[in-house]
Amino acid sequence: DVKVTQSSRYLVKRTGEKVFLECVQDMDHENMFWYRQDPGLGLRLIYFSYDVKMKEKGDIPEGYSVSREKKERFSLILESASTNQTSMYLCASSPPGQPSYEQYFGPGTRLTVT
Amino acid sequence: GEDVEQSLFLSVREGDSSVINCTYTDSSSTYLYWYKQEPGAGLQLLTYIFSNMDMKQDQRLTVLLNKKDKHLSLRIADTQTGDSAIYFCAERSMDSNYQLIWGAGTKLIIKP
Repeated sequence: DVKVTQSSRYLVKRTGEKVFLECVQDMDHENMFWYRQDPGLGLRLIYFSYDVKMKEKGDIPEGYSVSREKKERFSLILESASTNQTSMYLCASSPPGQPSYEQYFGPGTRLTVT
Repeated sequence: GEDVEQSLFLSVREGDSSVINCTYTDSSSTYLYWYKQEPGAGLQLLTYIFSNMDMKQDQRLTVLLNKKDKHLSLRIADTQTGDSAIYFCAERSMDSNYQLIWGAGTKLIIKP
């Protein structure tokens, strides 16, 4: 079974703090994704990576950065957390070339910025 | 930009059929997906349909695709309490190798 794990289920941070969210997958997938999920807005793509050290901006990259130093690990960084970044953050991975292009999701990190 | 729309809530009685609808705007969609998110969990792929198909059936699930109207539906027969979840519609276009366009999700509420 594909397993995608995220470092924390719940996180509370103060405004202005630097926040690291870690994601690890164990299936040697090339593609990894960070989304945020907000009620009524569905999933919005923040960044994705299709290979080690490669990254592409998604729809809402402002205020975020990412790091992919190893294939299995994709980190999301909030340089200076703000209250409007309070959200559920979902990490996903997918292999290339699959007919279904299925994305496998982690359980999510609920981040609250106070 | 491209858009995927679905209603936010659906309430059905246990044992009835649930039909969750989705509309999309991208005429170059290749695959369309239904993902399920149970409370407190990440998303899991439920089923998908290739754009040259009209229907796909898998046990209690039936997916219907009307490409002319850009309308996708998911029917769950004999809805059970374990089907309570948020159901997301998503589409992949020919222009994208990696990205999915997601709907907002429909929360399915089961009444006893």
